Amino acid sequence: GAGVSQSPSNKVTEKGKDVELRCDPISGHTALYWYRQSLGQGLEFLIYFQGNSAPDKSGLPSDRFSAERTGGSVSTLTIQRTQQEDSAVYLCASSLEGLARANTGELFFGEGSRLTVL
Amino acid sequence: KNEVEQSPQNLTAQEGEFITINCSYSVGISALHWLQQHPGGGIVSLFMLSSGKKKHGRLIATINIQEKHSSLHITASHPRDSAVYICAVTESGGSNYKLTFGKGTLLTVNP
Repeated sequence: GAGVSQSPSNKVTEKGKDVELRCDPISGHTALYWYRQSLGQGLEFLIYFQGNSAPDKSGLPSDRFSAERTGGSVSTLTIQRTQQEDSAVYLCASSLEGLARANTGELFFGEGSRLTVL
Repeated sequence: KNEVEQSPQNLTAQEGEFITINCSYSVGISALHWLQQHPGGGIVSLFMLSSGKKKHGRLIATINIQEKHSSLHITASHPRDSAVYICAVTESGGSNYKLTFGKGTLLTVNP
């Protein structure tokens, strides 16, 4: 499709298991973002990829979280040894370039992956 | 204190009413975004602006850089406008990709 695609849309897992969330951005978009939205909370920045540059991982909440972006396109967010506090909606977004310029900075969001850790 | 403040937090309106949601920020910015999040979680970017005013259909966004304030207006509101509206800013002088988000305004439009 033409939009940002995320999978799975819903994931229920047991505490301690690893999960992988996938994001397929819009073709040609160099910037890719992962955000987290916990129940009743605002959006929390996790990680940013821009082209071939080193990602900004400053928002990852712990070393159980990692992400990669292969070939400048698809990204995978991995959560190891999941905890109940990891339960949230994980949102991926992409933009043509960074967010500072109006002609290239519009953000396109995926539908999110709802993670529930029992 | 959150760097991006939205008001009101909750807003209930009758169909047809004119609606205003406000966003104030305390940092220098290079751009401001208005996002819409419907129940179920999907987020749509409504506007990205750095000055003046933009209009799309029944939606109008304005920004006053000097006053560090933006407004989102909805004319002739409809129940399908019911959603959370989120203001976010890209800070100037910093990274060009980190957004600082407001906590959102929950709008409910009753028929």
